[in-house]
Amino acid sequence: GAGVSQSPSNKVTEKGKDVELRCDPISGHTALYWYRQRLGQGLEFLIYFQGNSAPDKSGLPSDRFSAERTGESVSTLTIQRTQQEDSAVYLCASSLGLSSYEQYFGPGTRLTVT
Amino acid sequence: AQKITQTQPGMFVQEKEAVTLDCTYDTSDPSYGLFWYKQPSSGEMIFLIYQGSYDQQNATEGRYSLNFQKARKSANLVISASQLGDSAMYFCAMREGTSNTGKLIFGQGTTLQVKP
Repeated sequence: GAGVSQSPSNKVTEKGKDVELRCDPISGHTALYWYRQRLGQGLEFLIYFQGNSAPDKSGLPSDRFSAERTGESVSTLTIQRTQQEDSAVYLCASSLGLSSYEQYFGPGTRLTVT
Repeated sequence: AQKITQTQPGMFVQEKEAVTLDCTYDTSDPSYGLFWYKQPSSGEMIFLIYQGSYDQQNATEGRYSLNFQKARKSANLVISASQLGDSAMYFCAMREGTSNTGKLIFGQGTTLQVKP
């Protein structure tokens, strides 16, 4: 079946512009996660959704970052007024539920802020 | 605070040999899960193996096994009979059981290169 998909795969934007990153989880997966991976680094947790609720936003790096999810489907991560330090790969993952131990990752969106 | 440490930035192994990738963790939660993921140069994260904190036996999945030493807080990944396709970045990760967020905390990763 279809895995987690993310779009765009690559995004180059100018400093100060807003960007929107999209994640389509595996159908039926109620839990969805966003992570950020800077070059040569491990993954940094940003936010999770259970259904369309995001109980904990404390992982978001600043108030320029926001995320929403429609039902138990698509999620968008929005970065406003992008800065060069936002350059990274943004990975989305989904799982059957929060207690499900296997998270399935998408291919990521590589964001470059110039 | 919860933390994952991978002290080996890079490792080399000869094809067909076994290799151990180190991982230590720190948590005060008695219930937690430990994971290993593989990230090839293409960038996707591939789940390899899982160990629960209450599991009595070490987890195994094919050529992958997890050497779980709870008292030492270590969860090393052992890859047996290395193959050229095993060359990739490997990440150790932890999820705390009582947080109920599903959030994974990752180490910095170890780059493994398999030599022919």
